[in-house]
Amino acid sequence: SQTIHQWPATLVQPVGSPLSLECTVEGTSNPNLYWYRQAAGRGLQLLFYSIGIDQISSEVPQNLSASRPQDRQFILSSKKLLLSDSGFYLCAWRDPSTGGHCTFGSGTRLTVV
Amino acid sequence: KQEVTQIPAALSVPEGENLVLNCSFTDSAIYNLQWFRQDPGKGLTSLLLIQSSQREQTSGRLNASLDKSSGRSTLYIAASQPGDSATYLCAVNSGKGAQKLVFGQGTRLTINP
Repeated sequence: SQTIHQWPATLVQPVGSPLSLECTVEGTSNPNLYWYRQAAGRGLQLLFYSIGIDQISSEVPQNLSASRPQDRQFILSSKKLLLSDSGFYLCAWRDPSTGGHCTFGSGTRLTVV
Repeated sequence: KQEVTQIPAALSVPEGENLVLNCSFTDSAIYNLQWFRQDPGKGLTSLLLIQSSQREQTSGRLNASLDKSSGRSTLYIAASQPGDSATYLCAVNSGKGAQKLVFGQGTRLTINP
């Protein structure tokens, strides 16, 4: 069966520090991968999506970047965090051949101080 | 641009009641629609997926309907229980390209014992 792993679960980082959040999917190949952010009191916003290795698209201009070094690995990064980067980050995957359920990871709570 | 709206934003009902959560979307050209549940501080749990060709899907006490032409979906919860308390999110997949999800703001549901 397919599983998605996301870590760390919580992170407190100072302003100006770098960031690396990792997401991996098991039990499937060639998944579509997504990074969403949920800011306090706001809805889920799509940040990045990827339909293949090194194929990354950004939805909104921001201080973050994403990479997909392997088929089932998706990384969210920043060189210098801003206070506004605080939020709940969720990774998700979907099998593009079936167009079925989009499955989410357990999320990372990022607080920038 | 697809926009998804959920009404009401919050709902509080006594245990045992049947209830309906509403979701509307502006572009009827969708591939599928997914209902999620989110507990505080947690990731998203997929409840039901309705393909554009379907009218409804059922899982236990949950029933989701889809009227694509009018841009509406409803989530019906029968015999509500305190454990149903959570935020319920509706998300639309346009099916184009990366099959990204566009989310509503959610309905925060509280079931009172």
